Amino acid sequence: QVTLKESGPVLVKPTETLTLTCTVSGFSLSNARMGVSWIRQPPGKALEWLAHIFSIDEKSYSASLKSRLTISMDTSKSQVVLIMTNMDPGDTATYYCARINGDYSLVFDSWGQGTLVTVSS
Amino acid sequence: SYVLTQPPSVSVAPGQTARVSCGGTNIGSRSVHWYQQKPGQAPVLVVYDDTDRPSGIPERFSGSNSGNTATLTINRVEAGDEADYYCQVWDTSDHYVFGTGTKVTVL
Repeated sequence: QVTLKESGPVLVKPTETLTLTCTVSGFSLSNARMGVSWIRQPPGKALEWLAHIFSIDEKSYSASLKSRLTISMDTSKSQVVLIMTNMDPGDTATYYCARINGDYSLVFDSWGQGTLVTVSS
Repeated sequence: SYVLTQPPSVSVAPGQTARVSCGGTNIGSRSVHWYQQKPGQAPVLVVYDDTDRPSGIPERFSGSNSGNTATLTINRVEAGDEADYYCQVWDTSDHYVFGTGTKVTVL
């Protein structure tokens, strides 16, 4: 059974750096056909893709947020980490990690439960 | 940037058919995926590669894609189908693009 679980702070202050961790099970991050993405959803709004990573050291970022994002992977811990700098109240959202299945047109076939991050002083 | 446009809402009576559209330039040339999101929950994949269903998804859910519109069809709608639905495609420039989302209400 594939599972993903997000962890990190629930509250951050403006200008601070956010670090989120996605811990996966049921599949290997070493599998080159499977990747992990971070996706966020502001309250009441649509989904927004942020970044992805594959074990072949393929990383990609949303063009609008690229300067603020860093994604990394620790295969020994089955974890994917997202760092977002210079947080702003507009970054308040539920942050999801999701598995990307490269066998099927890069579809998000499993999602974590999400973690709500509020940016406020 | 590539944009996917969905109607904000669709209302349907139980037992009837709901159709959710997803418009994009020449979307028929892309693979479209659909996600269902119930309140307070994470999205769940219901249709991938235009027409395929993951295991565990009822046959009532189906998809089509042609020209500038992809469509998610829910037959014999049940109260439990009430949710937000998002389409998604891959774009070489924008990478993963999500639609604006459609709230399906079961009357």
